[in-house]
Amino acid sequence: GENVEQHPSTLSVQEGDSAVIKCTYSDSASNYFPWYKQELGKRPQLIIDIRSNVGEKKDQRIAVTLNKTAKHFSLHITETQPEDSAVYFCAASLGYSGSARQLTFGSGTQLTVLP
Amino acid sequence: GAGVSQSPRYKVAKRGQDVALRCDPISGHVSLFWYQQALGQGPEFLTYFQNEAQLDKSGLPSDRFFAERPEGSVSTLKIQRTQQEDSAVYLCASRRTSASDTQYFGPGTRLTVL
Repeated sequence: GENVEQHPSTLSVQEGDSAVIKCTYSDSASNYFPWYKQELGKRPQLIIDIRSNVGEKKDQRIAVTLNKTAKHFSLHITETQPEDSAVYFCAASLGYSGSARQLTFGSGTQLTVLP
Repeated sequence: GAGVSQSPRYKVAKRGQDVALRCDPISGHVSLFWYQQALGQGPEFLTYFQNEAQLDKSGLPSDRFFAERPEGSVSTLKIQRTQQEDSAVYLCASRRTSASDTQYFGPGTRLTVL
């Protein structure tokens, strides 16, 4: 099955700096890669996602890049703010429409933005 | 509109007790997932429903875990004879159709087995 590794496990940045979180996946057939933000005791919330036919996607301060050859994808947050502090999870899924296509998650990155 | 809801939010059980966790998906969503999230880890897949059909239960850790979705909407995850290792947050997620990508998560039920 799919295996997703995520680094770093913790990341501290100064407010206004950029943050980068990296993930690798094992199954080259994976074709959908979402990123979720989870605040303490809250539900995971989708912040951005990318499909395998796209190399980069941006939404305001958040961007995701995908390198299919290296089986690697990254989350980039620019101009970080204290409210960006949370645990971020990358995930991957594979399969065809109609199958489960469950998400396989990384182990999470605790991002702390220092004021 | 209303998101995915789960109840109870917290459940404490004595070892050996049975528990039932409820998930109300977003109205009209065809796909429903259950995940287990251990402390400090990412969610792990348990089982998948398409409407009322349980199409994948490969992630259920033992035969003590059972899930159902009899009318294709509300789902219940039941754990029999709970063990300490069952302590975790149980997350439910729904997806609009089987062809959609986005999974919307509920707030989870935190199960503590003493």
